[in-house]
Amino acid sequence: DTGVSQNPRHKITKRGQNVTFRCDPISEHNRLYWYRQTLGQGPEFLTYFQNEAQLEKSRLLSDRFSAERPKGSFSTLEIQRTEQGDSAMYLCASSSDMIEAFFGQGTRLTVV
Amino acid sequence: GESVGLHLPTLSVQEGDNSIINCAYSNSASDYFIWYKQESGKGPQFIIDIRSNMDKRQGQRVTVLLNKTVKHLSLQIAATQPGDSAVYFCAEIYYGGSQGNLIFGKGTKLSVKP
Repeated sequence: DTGVSQNPRHKITKRGQNVTFRCDPISEHNRLYWYRQTLGQGPEFLTYFQNEAQLEKSRLLSDRFSAERPKGSFSTLEIQRTEQGDSAMYLCASSSDMIEAFFGQGTRLTVV
Repeated sequence: GESVGLHLPTLSVQEGDNSIINCAYSNSASDYFIWYKQESGKGPQFIIDIRSNMDKRQGQRVTVLLNKTVKHLSLQIAATQPGDSAVYFCAEIYYGGSQGNLIFGKGTKLSVKP
């Protein structure tokens, strides 16, 4: 399968714990995006990489959130000291032309 | 601030009819407008895009119309099918100061009645 892959698909964690999600983009895509989506809402932009460089971070990305793309391929999104408000679907997308973004199926996070 | 929104949260149509999904945007400087389809449990899927210097673009069974005068975007789906049932999001890209972020609106849920 050459689509965008996200792991895990589901994560349940206790408040205060740290979680890390992984995204494997389409291999030839140099752009990688992270979004957060809650029920009934559109995806909210979190951050964006071009190759290994993190070019922009949303104000939504508090200091508890960090994202990396160390070799310009896969990316990780870490949330430290999770809060119940972090419960959402976390979507990753990759793109080669900044117009057509290909999304993964997301990681659904539930903080209890 | 910059935002993309939708007029109607839900739309119900009969199978075979045409569907029109609307979107209002506020950033007149956006360079591209895009429609995405999201089925339950899946990530958004690209449908069609339109550059800001165009007013119409057609794809397979879909047409996107852009009216920059009133900052309005619409997606027309011809001969709607049950497989078209999903949430549709409009999105915009502005290359100016933000490296080309893809910003989404809230979505319209399309239900197709057999």
